Amino acid sequence: AQKVTQAQTEISVVEKEDVTLDCVYETRDTTYYLFWYKQPPSGELVFLIRRNSFDEQNEISGRYSWNFQKSTSSFNFTITASQVVDSAVYFCALRRGRRALTFGSGTRLQVQP
Amino acid sequence: EAGVAQSPRYKIIEKRQSVAFWCNPISGHATLYWYQQILGQGPKLLIQFQNNGVVDDSQLPKDRFSAERLKGVDSTLKIQPAKLEDSAVYLCASSEGSSSYNEQFFGPGTRLTVL
Repeated sequence: AQKVTQAQTEISVVEKEDVTLDCVYETRDTTYYLFWYKQPPSGELVFLIRRNSFDEQNEISGRYSWNFQKSTSSFNFTITASQVVDSAVYFCALRRGRRALTFGSGTRLQVQP
Repeated sequence: EAGVAQSPRYKIIEKRQSVAFWCNPISGHATLYWYQQILGQGPKLLIQFQNNGVVDDSQLPKDRFSAERLKGVDSTLKIQPAKLEDSAVYLCASSEGSSSYNEQFFGPGTRLTVL
């Protein structure tokens, strides 16, 4: 069985602060993909990033960065210099083979002006 | 490129009534998914189609839920009869293929309230 845990239920920061969202996953497979999705108040899930299990190279894209560590089964997501528009629920998800996504329970991020 | 379309956006029914949701995936996408998202939780897969065949319906409550994807394009999800615990957002997603790397594109969802 596979499982995704997002222990942070809600995070509140002030604009321009950096914020890291934690994600821990469980799977017995050696080949899998990890994802982050954003769900703004409008409700639509927006794809942010995908990483495969063989690519532990971390990446920075604009204000977003990701830290993937297989040794600790973690796939954390950082927003630098947060903005009010970043306020949303963020979901970490795992996918193996041709199966559908397994989502975590989400972290609600509130960015205060 | 048009995204995944869903209708209706909102539906309120009483328990024991029936309801149906419709999804039109992105053109050319062979794989279609229905997810259920209960308030405060992450989406959970109900059923996955590859063209018009079912790939995974292991978490679909088949005594009351049914889904079809005739002609391998749009899809309908039905609940009959509805229960209070079916109140949730029903999300449809599609992808070009079913491989792990294929990005899933989500529709806006249908918010169902069962009274």
